[in-house]
Amino acid sequence: AQSVAQPEDQVNVAEGNPLTVKCTYSVSGNPYLFWYVQYPNRGLQFLLKYITGDNLVKGSYGFEAEFNKSQTSFHLKKPSALVSDSALYFCAVDDSSNTGKLIFGQGTTLQVKP
Amino acid sequence: DTGVSQDPRHKITKRGQNVTFRCDPISEHNRLYWYRQTLGQGPEFLTYFQNEAQLEKSRLLSDRFSAERPKGSFSTLEIQRTEQGDSAMYLCASSSGPGELFFGEGSRLTVL
Repeated sequence: AQSVAQPEDQVNVAEGNPLTVKCTYSVSGNPYLFWYVQYPNRGLQFLLKYITGDNLVKGSYGFEAEFNKSQTSFHLKKPSALVSDSALYFCAVDDSSNTGKLIFGQGTTLQVKP
Repeated sequence: DTGVSQDPRHKITKRGQNVTFRCDPISEHNRLYWYRQTLGQGPEFLTYFQNEAQLEKSRLLSDRFSAERPKGSFSTLEIQRTEQGDSAMYLCASSSGPGELFFGEGSRLTVL
């Protein structure tokens, strides 16, 4: 069965420092991987996806993610965090049927302090 | 902004009552999804439509739940005989194909 794990409930970083939000996955076949962000009282917003190709994927708001097949990871990164990046981040995997049926991790709260 | 809209945003009901949520997807999107999210958890897939056809339902969707998309446009999710365990945020999303889903802001259900 497909699954996604986000090992950290919360990540704290200082503004201007690099940030990493971790995600590991378990799928059969080639994974379709996604990151979404949820701001308070707002809907989930798409950040980026990995389907195939370059292992480093660039997305919205300066975020990027690195696909590592050997470690089955898809960590979200940003070189310089902003206070406005503080939100709830979800990693997700398509269940390989390419239907948009996503399996989400439990989420990681990112807190960026000034 | 013609994003995904959901109505109502918040519904409070008594146990045993029926509730219905509506989702209006982005107009050119042929796929529509329903997810459920409880506090501290990621969204869980419930069901999805391609045009008016309901193609898959999760085991989470008991027989008290029914979803429709009668003309391939808006969709409704009805919960009959609500239970306290149904309290959650119900999310709707749409897409034009595989890949990025566009989510609405959700409909929060509180069952007393």
